[in-house]
Amino acid sequence: DTGVSQDPRHKITKRGQNVTFRCDPISEHNRLYWYRQTLGQGPEFLTYFQNEAQLEKSRLLSDRFSAERPKGSFSTLEIQRTEQGDSAMYLCASSTPGGTEAFFGQGTRLTVV
Amino acid sequence: AQKITQTQPGMFVQEKEAVTLDCTYDTSDPSYGLFWYKQPSSGEMIFLIYQGSYDQQNATEGRYSLNFQKARKSANLVISASQLGDSAMYFCAMRALSSASKIIFGSGTRLSIRP
Repeated sequence: DTGVSQDPRHKITKRGQNVTFRCDPISEHNRLYWYRQTLGQGPEFLTYFQNEAQLEKSRLLSDRFSAERPKGSFSTLEIQRTEQGDSAMYLCASSTPGGTEAFFGQGTRLTVV
Repeated sequence: AQKITQTQPGMFVQEKEAVTLDCTYDTSDPSYGLFWYKQPSSGEMIFLIYQGSYDQQNATEGRYSLNFQKARKSANLVISASQLGDSAMYFCAMRALSSASKIIFGSGTRLSIRP
């Protein structure tokens, strides 16, 4: 399978704990995006990388959220001191520089209890 | 600022009929791309079709076509000969050059196909 891969698929955590999600993009894609989606809504942009450089961060990405893409390949999204409002589907996507296609992974569903 | 508007929260269509899902967008950037995605109940976002702002012809991919009307800033998705498996949420999205390639999404349309 050469699509975008996300791990884990599901995560249940207690409020106040830290969680980390991983995204492996399609290998030749240098652009990588993180989105958050809550029930019944469209995906909301969180942050975007081109290679290892984080080019844009949404105001949604509070200081409890951090994302990295250290070698320009896989990326991680960490949420510190989780809150119930962080419960959502976290989606990763990657695209080529030409940008005519952007493919998503299957997402990580986070539940904060 | 860029914005995507999908005004149909839900639609019901009879199997085998064609269906049009509406999408309007707002951007001042002359260079942009428009996307449609399908999200079934499993949650995966499936890329359907792409239209560039400078493309002269409407994009088509199998049963999907994008009715691009640049002056009206609309990018409606047309699904021909609908099938039961087309039942899903459909999202319109846009990427403008000035937004550093950030892709923004509309609120979606839930399409239900009746047998």
